Amino acid sequence: SQTIHQWPATLVQPVGSPLSLECTVEGTSNPNLYWYRQAAGRGLQLLFYSVGIGQISSEVPQNLSASRPQDRQFILSSKKLLLSDSGFYLCAWSRGLGETQYFGPGTRLLVL
Amino acid sequence: AQSVTQLGSHVSVSEGALVLLRCNYSSSVPPYLFWYVQYPNQGLQLLLKYTSAATLVKGINGFEAEFKKSETSFHLTKPSAHMSDAAEYFCAVYTGTASKLTFGTGTRLQVTL
Repeated sequence: SQTIHQWPATLVQPVGSPLSLECTVEGTSNPNLYWYRQAAGRGLQLLFYSVGIGQISSEVPQNLSASRPQDRQFILSSKKLLLSDSGFYLCAWSRGLGETQYFGPGTRLLVL
Repeated sequence: AQSVTQLGSHVSVSEGALVLLRCNYSSSVPPYLFWYVQYPNQGLQLLLKYTSAATLVKGINGFEAEFKKSETSFHLTKPSAHMSDAAEYFCAVYTGTASKLTFGTGTRLQVTL
């Protein structure tokens, strides 16, 4: 069976510090991978998605970037965090575009 | 373009009462439709999905949803609410015209004694 992992589970970072969130998927190959942000009281915002190694599509311009160095690894990064980067970050995978997305447990980020 | 609208950001029902969460979609082509549930501080979990087979879709935890093309709706129902159903519910649509699922803004379900 497939599993998806995210770490860390929670993170408190000062404004201006760097960020690296990691997501890995087990039990499948060549998945589509997604990063979402969920701000308090708001819905899901798709940040990035990837259909293969090194292939990243950005949905909104922002202070964040994503990379996919390996088939089942997806990393969300920032060089300098902003207060507005606080939120709940969710990673997801699917077998194809439009197919069911399976979500990880999430990382709660608080920027102070 | 594809979009979903969830009517009611908060819904409160008594335990044992009918649960009805509303979702309307906008699409110029046949859609795939999904309902997800999110418990506090957790990721989203798939409840059910419609992919152009039977219009009445049964999911986990006793939930079901009916695809009504004429009403462009995909409302989620459960005959009898349980305290454990308290969570946030998201409707999502995919049509192939965009390379992603589009999620609604969510409905928070509260279940009271």
